[in-house]
Amino acid sequence: EVQLVESGGGLVQPGGSLRLSCAASEFSFDNYAMNWVRQAPGKGLEWVSTISGSGHTTNYADSVRGRFTISRDNTKNTLYLQMNSLRGEDTAVYYCAKGRAYYYGSGTWPPDYWGQGTLVRVSS
Amino acid sequence: QSVLTQPPSASGTPGQRVTISCSGSSSNIGSNSVNWIQHLPGTAPKLLVYSNNQRPSGVPDRFSGSKSGTSASLAISGLQSEDEADYYCAAWDDRLDGPVFGTGTKVTVL
Repeated sequence: EVQLVESGGGLVQPGGSLRLSCAASEFSFDNYAMNWVRQAPGKGLEWVSTISGSGHTTNYADSVRGRFTISRDNTKNTLYLQMNSLRGEDTAVYYCAKGRAYYYGSGTWPPDYWGQGTLVRVSS
Repeated sequence: QSVLTQPPSASGTPGQRVTISCSGSSSNIGSNSVNWIQHLPGTAPKLLVYSNNQRPSGVPDRFSGSKSGTSASLAISGLQSEDEADYYCAAWDDRLDGPVFGTGTKVTVL
């Protein structure tokens, strides 16, 4: 069974930084694009970012572009999200989700497996 | 901001059929397949339907999806108490070159 375990969430002040990790197992990690999706308190799901299987192609939602960086280490089967210049509106549960194909694009959407999420709180 | 529009809530008694709508535009639902995700807050979201009407292995055939033009719907037949959850439609958006979600529908089993 595919396993995705997020970590790294916590309380951070506005303007601060945080790095999330997602440990993947039970599938060929480097064969699939990976995603970050978030849910703010009382809100719906929001796509944050996607990275291709090789890591060479990335894309971001406008709300985080320029502040967040997605990356992956295929030798460690781990996905990352570096979050800088955090704002209150970034407060959310962040989910790691496995894409259904290697390349970035419509063919890899929607994710077929999701993690349990990690909570990020941005507050002073 | 969600690009796809869903009703905020839907409800039914056990055994009833409930339908959830999802409205989009030509750049998303109109030109790409629609997918449905089930989410119980605090748990991992679950892919329920992909490519408009395909169910992943293990998803009961009580769940069925359909699409017409720039709209789609999810039907839950034989409603059960464990179906109480939030449901989101999602599709790729060619104009944004990324995925978009619906506003979400909370299903309550009365």
